[in-house]
Amino acid sequence: GEDVEQSLFLSVREGDSSVINCTYTDSSSTYLYWYKQEPGAGLQLLTYIFSNMDMKQDQRLTVLLNKKDKHLSLRIADTQTGDSAIYFCAERDSSASKIIFGSGTRLSIRP
Amino acid sequence: GAVVSQHPSRVICKSGTSVKIECRSLDFQATTMFWYRQFPKKSLMLMATSNEGSKATYEQGVEKDKFLINHASLTLSTLTVTSAHPEDSSFYICSASRNSYNEQFFGPGTRLTVL
Repeated sequence: GEDVEQSLFLSVREGDSSVINCTYTDSSSTYLYWYKQEPGAGLQLLTYIFSNMDMKQDQRLTVLLNKKDKHLSLRIADTQTGDSAIYFCAERDSSASKIIFGSGTRLSIRP
Repeated sequence: GAVVSQHPSRVICKSGTSVKIECRSLDFQATTMFWYRQFPKKSLMLMATSNEGSKATYEQGVEKDKFLINHASLTLSTLTVTSAHPEDSSFYICSASRNSYNEQFFGPGTRLTVL
């Protein structure tokens, strides 16, 4: 079945860029998402990209998609303490309502 | 923006009791609502999808008689964990969508602890 994988932890220094990586298996994925979850809270959609795009930029966030390798990344420029959270990669194909989530990457910021 | 609330945010109950969790879309009509379960350090696992006025569609391995879902209106869905056991302790998150293929808006989650 479909699978989405990402590393569990990432630690970066405040002010540096964070890059969170994700791989997925479903070749018919149409939408790829990044969600942010702060402690004890639900998920907030950060950004998404259609499968026919290679890159999307939104302020400090840059999403890169390598469809051939089924690899998605999220870059957060100038990482701040408020960026500390768990980041989930997720995918959905256009014929399904179901979203498949990765296990989440916990981003911690060190001074 | 679209706001989804959940109530309660935390609940502690004794083994064998039933617990009801509410999910409400506050400023839009949600034809479809989704219920997820999140284990510590794990991903969100979809439990079921419910469309207003219809029976919920459960994912494989989810007991429909244990996790009762009702979606009687366009703004409210409920998940009832019946005869709860300690292994049902988890973080339950709902999401709501204007239709099955639209963006899902997530609630803040409910932490269930069964003693």
